[in-house]
Amino acid sequence: GQNIDQPTEMTATEGAIVQINCTYQTSGFNGLFWYQQHAGEAPTFLSYNVLDGLEEKGRFSSFLSRSKGYSYLLLKELQMKDSASYLCAVREDQGGKLIFGQGTELSVKP
Amino acid sequence: GAGVSQSPSNKVTEKGKDVELRCDPISGHTALYWYRQSLGQGLEFLIYFQGNSAPDKSGLPSDRFSAERTGGSVSTLTIQRTQQEDSAVYLCASSLVGTSPFFGPGTRLTVL
Repeated sequence: GQNIDQPTEMTATEGAIVQINCTYQTSGFNGLFWYQQHAGEAPTFLSYNVLDGLEEKGRFSSFLSRSKGYSYLLLKELQMKDSASYLCAVREDQGGKLIFGQGTELSVKP
Repeated sequence: GAGVSQSPSNKVTEKGKDVELRCDPISGHTALYWYRQSLGQGLEFLIYFQGNSAPDKSGLPSDRFSAERTGGSVSTLTIQRTQQEDSAVYLCASSLVGTSPFFGPGTRLTVL
């Protein structure tokens, strides 16, 4: 079966660092994606990992361990505009659909 | 076009009516996906197209749901005899094969 788990909610302080974890169990693996979704808007692509290790893109970094079925999204220097839902998704087959977790609602407080 | 577009942006219908939702993918994107999202929930996969064919229809919840894609471009998702549980935001995404999908703004469907 397919299972993608992430925390439902997280709260962090402006200027701080927050790590959002994602664990997955899927029948295949061809990449892990992170998307950001503000309320009432469509998801926007943040990052993609297919090999183990850390991918850094500005204030956002994403890590993958395929052997552990684990990823995290790291957000540094948090800003109020980072308050959003963060979606973890796995693609099982090349060119196939993405399977999404339930999303983590991040609230950034002043 | 510059991005994925969907129409209508909002649709209110009565229980039992049929609805059609349209998706215009990014030009040149061969892969097209339909998802739906209920309030406060994650994205639920519905169907995936590669060109005009649908190799994965596993997410369609019932035979009231169908989708087609013509000319390798525009796609239409049809829901027949709508039910209240069909109320959700229907999201379309497109991509080149193997790359990250880009999402459209969605169609918010409300079934009264």
